[in-house]
Amino acid sequence: EADIYQTPRYLVIGTGKKITLECSQTMGHDKMYWYQQDPGMELHLIHYSYGVNSTEKGDLSSESTVSRIRTEHFPLTLESARPSHTSQYLCASSHYEQYFGPGTRLTVT
Amino acid sequence: ELKVEQNPLFLSMQEGKNYTIYCNYSTTSDRLYWYRQDPGKSLESLFVLLSNGAVKQEGRLMASLDTKARLSTLHITAAVHDLSATYFCAVWNSGNTPLVFGKGTRLSVIA
Repeated sequence: EADIYQTPRYLVIGTGKKITLECSQTMGHDKMYWYQQDPGMELHLIHYSYGVNSTEKGDLSSESTVSRIRTEHFPLTLESARPSHTSQYLCASSHYEQYFGPGTRLTVT
Repeated sequence: ELKVEQNPLFLSMQEGKNYTIYCNYSTTSDRLYWYRQDPGKSLESLFVLLSNGAVKQEGRLMASLDTKARLSTLHITAAVHDLSATYFCAVWNSGNTPLVFGKGTRLSVIA
């Protein structure tokens, strides 16, 4: 069973606030990913990392930033939340197989 | 550039019927994954297919991989309501690049 955690699970926040979505995994995976997904829709890769101090932007342009200071931790930050950021954010990690965290459902009012 | 196409994107099927979901991809790969997602939930790994001709079965679901045809199928046998979900295939791209996901097939099993 995959051990990948995301907090918070649900977040409602006002426009302009800074938020950080947390993602941690205990499997020692070097590769970690952030996806954005609207309900019932396709996944969009927004950031990924293949190791400490390594981060790349994904296919979908995003106003978020990420950091990878520790192998197990891959937080995503929005400096100024907007209603267009309302979505579900899924974190994943992989060695050969990719495992997903439970997701954070973000609503920006 | 690797592209992954699933079809159909929407599927409504009756309980007890059989159906197949297709996943085509555009460049060579010998590693393919199937995931299930329930509404409002995250993705759950169903199958990992690692070689040409690989076939895996779990309950009413069977997945296969034909790397020569660049095609994977997810076959549903005697569908039940509990199988209603969105199914994604994902293909490993060569080198050190992320998985490429299909757009998903939203399956609804009705009585």
